[in-house]
Amino acid sequence: DTGVSQDPRHKITKRGQNVTFRCDPISEHNRLYWYRQTLGQGPEFLTYFQNEAQLEKSRLLSDRFSAERPKGSFSTLEIQRTEQGDSAMYLCASSSPSSFRGIGGYTFGSGTRLTVV
Amino acid sequence: LAKTTQPISMDSYEGQEVNITCSHNNIATNDYITWYQQFPSQGPRFIIQGYKTKVTNEVASLFIPADRKSSTLSLPRVSLSDTAVYYCLVGDPNTGGFKTIFGAGTRLFVKA
Repeated sequence: DTGVSQDPRHKITKRGQNVTFRCDPISEHNRLYWYRQTLGQGPEFLTYFQNEAQLEKSRLLSDRFSAERPKGSFSTLEIQRTEQGDSAMYLCASSSPSSFRGIGGYTFGSGTRLTVV
Repeated sequence: LAKTTQPISMDSYEGQEVNITCSHNNIATNDYITWYQQFPSQGPRFIIQGYKTKVTNEVASLFIPADRKSSTLSLPRVSLSDTAVYYCLVGDPNTGGFKTIFGAGTRLFVKA
């Protein structure tokens, strides 16, 4: 297993267009998270899946954002009608229930950098 | 959710030990303390996690005093490749710790 994969690495889009990002977590991890990171800031939580169920959504996740995780495997994050303020790094992470007992924490992907022009 | 306070930046030289302290006065009983490292254009990478006292792994040590209101990440003999941003997180992931606030982190610059 090569870790958490995110595709694409970079995306440039025009304002008003829709974009979709994909995350492939570590295969045995049943928990998946999306974060957003702007320049000079730490990652901000967006949403969380346990298997295929989306259990938590941040207030940062406006109605233009939607995330899915069909079959509890890969996940997609879609942004509709993109705005310049959506420009950021979108990070995906995964974990297993045992990750927070001194074993490994979250495993993050390398992110998708979105630029809205 | 407990918030954390870290120095914005630190400078060091190769071969030195670096200690980064994080304050978390409102830490809850079930909260763990976790540190991540992030290089430019990459996602954060887990370094170490602890609950109390001292934890050591192959890359770092984590010191947590008895009151758990602070913690110190210790990086022994840093190299240029340790230049990165280091985040201190506090939370219980089983009750929402994944929403833990990362904050702006500490930018460590290691000089030759």
